[in-house]
Amino acid sequence: NAGVMQNPRHLVRRRGQEARLRCSPMKGHSHVYWYRQLPEEGLKFMVYLQKENIIDESGMPKERFSAEFPKEGPSILRIQQVVRGDSAAYFCASSQYRGPADTQYFGPGTRLTVL
Amino acid sequence: DQQVKQNSPSLSVQEGRISILNCDYTNSMFDYFLWYKKYPAEGPTFLISISSIKDKNEDGRFTVFLNKSAKHLSLHIVPSQPGDSAVYFCAASANSGGGADGLTFGKGTHLIIQP
Repeated sequence: NAGVMQNPRHLVRRRGQEARLRCSPMKGHSHVYWYRQLPEEGLKFMVYLQKENIIDESGMPKERFSAEFPKEGPSILRIQQVVRGDSAAYFCASSQYRGPADTQYFGPGTRLTVL
Repeated sequence: DQQVKQNSPSLSVQEGRISILNCDYTNSMFDYFLWYKKYPAEGPTFLISISSIKDKNEDGRFTVFLNKSAKHLSLHIVPSQPGDSAVYFCAASANSGGGADGLTFGKGTHLIIQP
């Protein structure tokens, strides 16, 4: 029973390049959440998606960041024209149901380094 | 504006003793609270949760206490074991009907269990 999978685990990009982070939820989970952890900080919620729908993107930066969760395949967090301040650990979590009563299961994260 | 605060960045406890990790919150809409444990280079792992209708929840060596009037919760680990050394995150969620579905995290407390 595989857990939440994220790839790549480490990603290095130069300023101005694009970064694509992938997340495959646990089997049977249709809710995906993305979080970002800056150095010495806690995790910050970015976006919540269900299949083919963005439910809540209140934590997403207004520019350069986008997320999708297509009908088939993993969820993708895309960062265009990366800057040094985007260097962080990006965690994906999934849940079976919506709402606070369920827990979110986290993947191992993608560590993005922008040179 | 930090809505979930963990004021102790680190805590050192002797093996076999009780570890007490504290967490304060400011948003009165929060009604579900979770503790996550995180090892380096891994994603957070769910530990224990509590709903606002309760004031205590216990699971083996882990007990979470909630004081709603003080907007304070604590995680007790007894007895502490070397494998408990990790960063512990407190997280909170608002009612799904009235708030975002993402979790709000504190900055974490690094627990060190000394032999």
